[in-house]
Amino acid sequence: GDSVTQMEGPVTLSEEAFLTINCTYTATGYPSLFWYVQYPGEGLQLLLKATKADDKGSNKGFEATYRKETTSFHLEKGSVQVSDSAVYFCALSDRSSASKIIFGSGTRLSIRP
Amino acid sequence: DAMVIQNPRYQVTQFGKPVTLSCSQTLNHNVMYWYQQKSSQAPKLLFHYYDKDFNNEADTPDNFQSRRPNTSFCFLDIRSPGLGDAAMYLCATSRDWDGLGEQYFGPGTRLTVT
Repeated sequence: GDSVTQMEGPVTLSEEAFLTINCTYTATGYPSLFWYVQYPGEGLQLLLKATKADDKGSNKGFEATYRKETTSFHLEKGSVQVSDSAVYFCALSDRSSASKIIFGSGTRLSIRP
Repeated sequence: DAMVIQNPRYQVTQFGKPVTLSCSQTLNHNVMYWYQQKSSQAPKLLFHYYDKDFNNEADTPDNFQSRRPNTSFCFLDIRSPGLGDAAMYLCATSRDWDGLGEQYFGPGTRLTVT
C-alpha cells in the first residue's frame, strides 16, 4: 500500500540556518503530495502541495519539488526563524486511497534564537 | 473567518462517561473526517463521511461513533472512554473525493480522561 517515510526528528537549528527535511513516498498511482505543519497546541495547516511530477510547491519561504524519479518531496527553507518551530508532516493522497491522507510520522523542528 | 470549528477545545471526562465532540464547517465541503492524534504521532483516521455516507476505518474501535446531521456539522461520540482514549481529536474537511485536494483541519479538541 501507499506509504510516506520522513526524516526522524527532532531537528534543532539556529535561526537563519538552512533547513531540509527529507521525505520519500511509495504509491501505486500518481499521488498529490503535501507538507502540513502543526504548531504547538493547534491543528494541522497545509503548508504547500504539488499535484504532479516536477511541480514545485512554495509558501512562507518553504519549498518542495515533486520528484517522481526519486519518489521524493523534500522540504527546504533557506533561512529559518524561531516562529518556524513546529511539527512538519509529509503526506500523500491519490485516487486509490479515496481522498484519505497518508501521513509520515512527523518531524519536530526547533529553532534556537 | 474560521472555516473548521471544533468545540470544545479542551474536554475532560471521567473513565466510562460518554462524551461528544463537535465539529462545524463553513466551507460547504462534501467530505468530513475525524482523526485521533496521540502525542508525537501522526493523526490516525477514525472515519469519514462523504455527504451522508459513513465510512469506518477497519481498526476503529466500536467505542467510537459519529453522526453527521447536515453538511455543516459532524459529531464524534465516545461511548465509554478509557484512559487510552486521551488524545487530540482533529476534524477535517475536503471539497470532494478525488484524492487531489487538500484537507482543511480544525484546531482540535484535547480530550483528557480521568
